Amino acid sequence: QSVLTQPPSVSGAPGQRVTISCTGSTSNIGAGFDVHWYQQVPGTAPKLLIHGNNNRPSGVPDRFSGSKSGTSASLAITGLLPEDEGDYYCQSYDTSLSALYVFGTGTRVTVL
Amino acid sequence: QVQLHESGPRLVKPSETLSLTCTISGGSISSYYWTWIRQTPGKGLEWIGYVYSLGGTNYNPSLNSRVTISVDASKNQFSLNLKSVTAADTAVYYCARAIDYGEYYFDTWGLGTLVTVSS
Repeated sequence: QSVLTQPPSVSGAPGQRVTISCTGSTSNIGAGFDVHWYQQVPGTAPKLLIHGNNNRPSGVPDRFSGSKSGTSASLAITGLLPEDEGDYYCQSYDTSLSALYVFGTGTRVTVL
Repeated sequence: QVQLHESGPRLVKPSETLSLTCTISGGSISSYYWTWIRQTPGKGLEWIGYVYSLGGTNYNPSLNSRVTISVDASKNQFSLNLKSVTAADTAVYYCARAIDYGEYYFDTWGLGTLVTVSS
């Protein structure tokens, strides 16, 4: 059972903007810990997309952006492209009795 | 560019020990934290634990009693041992590099290897 909750799926037409929420609690995001985001194309390993709430590694397009507020975070994808289809996971640090490094439940992005 | 590659048995019998090795190429094992993460359809991504290049470790409390992660700097490798496995340990196992800035994120991942626990 993940302590970070994401919607199971979001979808949008090419060129549209979609957002993915990541809801945590006062033991993780709400305690001030950063949120990181990963993209996983089916059948491949996760790939780092955003680190430290809104920092893109080299090579990640600026169509991807992150934000954090209170006990939640969001990933926005603008100008949606077919290659953006896949699963997206948030990750943070948790101070409860669960795993120290926790992932979200994952969101499947579908490009219509 | 750093690349990671998992290796080890793909089939493990219940109650036995799952052993995997991650080989690092294109970079040094030194001065980084190295992590094992697994993925199952039911539980999603689960952090297993990490080892620092000099040997310090930290494990997921839910697996702590069964997990050992070790490093062999001379071979640029680190390893996972998970004992007393059950079917619930069937998963794709990834090794990854953790970037430490006071917190951690995982910037480089191996391709992953599916390990099945079955008799």
